[in-house]
Formats: sequence, structure tokens, C-alpha cells
Amino acid sequence: SQQGEEDPQALSIQEGENATMNCSYKTSINNLQWYRQNSGRGLVHLILIRSNEREKHSGRLRVTLDTSKKSSSLLITASRAADTASYFCATDARDSGTYKYIFGTGTRLKVLA
Amino acid sequence: NAGVTQTPKFRVLKTGQSMTLLCAQDMNHEYMYWYRQDPGMGLRLIHYSVGEGTTAKGEVPDGYNVSRLKKQNFLLGLESAAPSQTSVYFCASRGLAFPDTQYFGPGTRLTVL
Repeated sequence: SQQGEEDPQALSIQEGENATMNCSYKTSINNLQWYRQNSGRGLVHLILIRSNEREKHSGRLRVTLDTSKKSSSLLITASRAADTASYFCATDARDSGTYKYIFGTGTRLKVLA
Repeated sequence: NAGVTQTPKFRVLKTGQSMTLLCAQDMNHEYMYWYRQDPGMGLRLIHYSVGEGTTAKGEVPDGYNVSRLKKQNFLLGLESAAPSQTSVYFCASRGLAFPDTQYFGPGTRLTVL
């Protein structure tokens, strides 16, 4: 399986602190995406980083990618209670010219008010 | 724009019963996907489609069948439900652009007794 793994599996922080979660994957990729899932809901796309990029920002989100280590990190700065959710990384998997995404097992983030 | 919708939201089946889950998208997307999500695990791809009339197997296709008779709809069928198919099922779609994000439906919670 090419499934990625997020680390840590669960994270609990105070509001205002930064949250960092990591994703490791097994094969070469074209791009990596991060998604958020609120409890009982579908996944929502947060940010995409291409394999030739090393860092990307979007609001309070900062994503880094190290293709030599096959890993990525997602940093959420100044966290809010509303950031409480599960976060998943997804890597593309080329398959006969089409593209499938392989999802990691997720990090459950709890932000305490 | 409704985005991606799934029907039904909840369902309870007895072992051996059959059912069909419906996914509909109004974004004119070519690609559509069915995933299952189990506790503590990421999303696992069941089947996917790269266009009307086409389907392909994903990571965990056994026990499921799919059809894509219309571009906007992707159906997932369980011919003879088993307790191991108790899960939350998510549908997603994406366009042809590369790279592109997936848009997810709200999910269907299925329990097989």
C-alpha cells in the first residue's frame, strides 16, 4: 500500500498555540494535498503543494514538503477552537494516465478554548 | 451549486441485503470516486471513474460494484451486504485539470447487522 501516515495520531493544544502535524509517504509523487474533516462531515481541501515546491502558505496554514525524505508538514498558527478537526494528507498516484489520491490515516487535532 | 451530494445519509441493512448508494455532482467533473472510512483509518478507495461509462477498481473493490451511466452520477452497489462493510462511505469528484482537488460529499453512514 502507498498509504501515507500522519504523525501524531492525536494532538491537543490550547487556543492560540501552533499545531504541527507531519505526513510521510512511500513513493514519488507529483503533488501532495492536505484536507480537513470536521466530525461527521466530508473532507474539505486546504492546500496543495507541488513536488517542485518546498513551502507554501495560505492564511494561517504553512505547508512544507521534503521530497528527499518523502515527508510533509502542516503548521496551523494561532489555532482556534474552530480548527478542531481531523487532518489528512493525500498524495497522487499515477495509474495508467489517470490520477488517484492515497490518503493517510489522519491527525486528530483538538484545540481547547 | 449543490456540489457533491450523497443519498441516503444513513442506512441500516441486515446481512445479505442489497442496496445502492447514489452520488451526484453538478460541477461537470470527469472523475468520480467512492471511498470508505473506518475508525482510525484514512480513506480507502473502493472504485473510481474517469468518465461516463467507465469504471475502475481501487484499493478495496471486493463486495462492491459501481456504475457511471450519466456523467453527473456515480452509483455504488452492495449486492450482499456483510458486517465488514459497516463504514462511512464518501463520494468525491474532480475535474480534468492537473493537479486538481477533490470535492467530497457529506458521507453515508452504513451499518450492516
